[in-house]
Amino acid sequence: AQSVTQLGSHVSVSEGALVLLRCNYSSSVPPYLFWYVQYPNQGLQLLLKYTSAATLVKGINGFEAEFKKSETSFHLTKPSAHMSDAAEYFCAVSEGNQGGKLIFGQGTELSVKP
Amino acid sequence: KAGVTQTPRYLIKTRGQQVTLSCSPISGHRSVSWYQQTPGQGLQFLFEYFSETQRNKGNFPGRFSGRQFSNSRSEMNVSTLELGDSALYLCASSYLHRNYNEQFFGPGTRLTVL
Repeated sequence: AQSVTQLGSHVSVSEGALVLLRCNYSSSVPPYLFWYVQYPNQGLQLLLKYTSAATLVKGINGFEAEFKKSETSFHLTKPSAHMSDAAEYFCAVSEGNQGGKLIFGQGTELSVKP
Repeated sequence: KAGVTQTPRYLIKTRGQQVTLSCSPISGHRSVSWYQQTPGQGLQFLFEYFSETQRNKGNFPGRFSGRQFSNSRSEMNVSTLELGDSALYLCASSYLHRNYNEQFFGPGTRLTVL
């Protein structure tokens, strides 16, 4: 069965510092992986996705993630945090034959200190 | 294109009542998925509809049901509401790539059960 584990329910960084949000997955077949961001009182916005093409994926707002099969990881990074990055981030996995079913991690709340 | 719309945005109901939530997908998207988001359980998949047929189902009791119309709009119904049904209900419509779905989320319906 698929599962996603996000290490750290809360991450706090200073403005301008590196952002690293961790995600490990479990899947019996090659997975499709996604990172979403959620701002307060809003739905989820897709940041980036891994679909078995390049292992280093670039997304919106300067975020990127690297798929590492050997480590079953898909960590999200951003070189320099901005105050507007403060939000909750979700990692999700889908197996191709599961159609529109995503399995989400528990989420990581990112705080950015001035 | 207009995004995914959900109505109503907020609902307050009492235990034992039933509720219907509505989701209008992005034009051209034929798949609609529903998720429940709570602080304790996180984001959990409820079900997916594709071309008016339920294609996937999560682990929720039968009180949770849905349907999809010929124009791809979807409704979700919860009968005999319980306090634990208080949650943000998110709808997502999917763009179908060859091997995976890319999901776009609506703003959600916040349901409070008193």
